[in-house]
Amino acid sequence: TQLLEQSPQFLSIQEGENLTVYCNSSSVFSSLQWYRQEPGEGPVLLVTVVTGGEVKKLKRLTFQFGDARKDSSLHITAAQPGDTGLYLCAGESTSYGKLTFGQGTILTVHP
Amino acid sequence: NAGVMQNPRHLVRRRGQEARLRCSPMKGHSHVYWYRQLPEEGLKFMVYLQKENIIDESGMPKERFSAEFPKEGPSILRIQQVVRGDSAAYFCASSPPTGMGNTIYFGEGSWLTVV
Repeated sequence: TQLLEQSPQFLSIQEGENLTVYCNSSSVFSSLQWYRQEPGEGPVLLVTVVTGGEVKKLKRLTFQFGDARKDSSLHITAAQPGDTGLYLCAGESTSYGKLTFGQGTILTVHP
Repeated sequence: NAGVMQNPRHLVRRRGQEARLRCSPMKGHSHVYWYRQLPEEGLKFMVYLQKENIIDESGMPKERFSAEFPKEGPSILRIQQVVRGDSAAYFCASSPPTGMGNTIYFGEGSWLTVV
């Protein structure tokens, strides 16, 4: 059984601070995806990383896929209250959309 | 809105009743997935279907749960004789014909409460 360990589980910071969320596994994934989920809604895809060592930037968010394709990180620079939400990483190891999700990180950014 | 459509959004059932959750994939998508999010737990894969075929049901409970994706109409996740432990958010997702790194798109979920 593949597992994705996501940390930290909770993160409470002040506006303007930087933060990093980690996603680690002993398994290799063909791709890794990061989602954001608001209460009462479904996960919304932020980014997909496919190549080992890949770095993708989305405004203040930077996503990295480990060289061995077993881990990933999400870094947010100068966090804003609008970044508050549940962040989920998910690994794909099949040729179809069977994803293994991490437990999620609940981020709260205080004004 | 051409997104993945799920209904009902909220469903309350008494123990022993049946729950039917429906999912219409995005236009042009022929592959459907069901995931379950239990309270205090992460999203777990349940089943992957193509039109008229179940491809991977490795995450489905062995009893009371079934899924279908008929040639015409939405995909249905059916839970018979519901118990309190079935209370969860059920998410449907869809994708175009698959390949490595394909994006799947999630619906807004159906929240089942068993009383």
